[in-house]
Amino acid sequence: NAGVMQNPRHLVRRRGQEARLRCSPMKGHSHVYWYRQLPEEGLKFMVYLQKENIIDESGMPKERFSAEFPKEGPSILRIQQVVRGDSAAYFCASSPVGAEKLFFGSGTQLSVL
Amino acid sequence: SQQGEEDPQALSIQEGENATMNCSYKTSINNLQWYRQNSGRGLVHLILIRSNEREKHSGRLRVTLDTSKKSSSLLITASRAADTASYFCATDDGNQGGKLIFGQGTELSVKP
Repeated sequence: NAGVMQNPRHLVRRRGQEARLRCSPMKGHSHVYWYRQLPEEGLKFMVYLQKENIIDESGMPKERFSAEFPKEGPSILRIQQVVRGDSAAYFCASSPVGAEKLFFGSGTQLSVL
Repeated sequence: SQQGEEDPQALSIQEGENATMNCSYKTSINNLQWYRQNSGRGLVHLILIRSNEREKHSGRLRVTLDTSKKSSSLLITASRAADTASYFCATDDGNQGGKLIFGQGTELSVKP
């Protein structure tokens, strides 16, 4: 049973470009969470999704950031017009319905030049 | 605002010694969890303690929870070099299921 898969592992973008981060949850998991981690810091919650539904996006910046979890395919975290401050590690986690613990992917390291 | 705050921020010990990390939180919770993160990797769940529990063990891990003080501690006994990692506490926000809120973490270094 494969774990949470995130790709790409590393992503380099220039300022103003778009970044698309993908996350495939563990088999049987219907909930996906995205977190951002800056160097030497803890994880900051961004968004919580179920299939075709955003449950909680209280941690998402108001502009340029969006997330989706379609009926088919991976969850996508999209950052438009990236800026240097978006450079961070972005982690996806998944869980089954009603579960309390999260299973994390290995993260995508986004570097904005 | 950050729910969980760990201390110390960094801890360096010798192999065989015990490591204790503390976590404080602000709101009511259903449970508190501890996760481990090796450098450059995702977090791995270690242990969960519910709000009606005071102590829990798992192998060399011992977790305590004091809901009156809104604090928890993680004890790793007989530490090994392989325990070197960052350790995070995480709490829910009092709702069933849903997001976890993580603290800043304690960076543990265990020297051989």
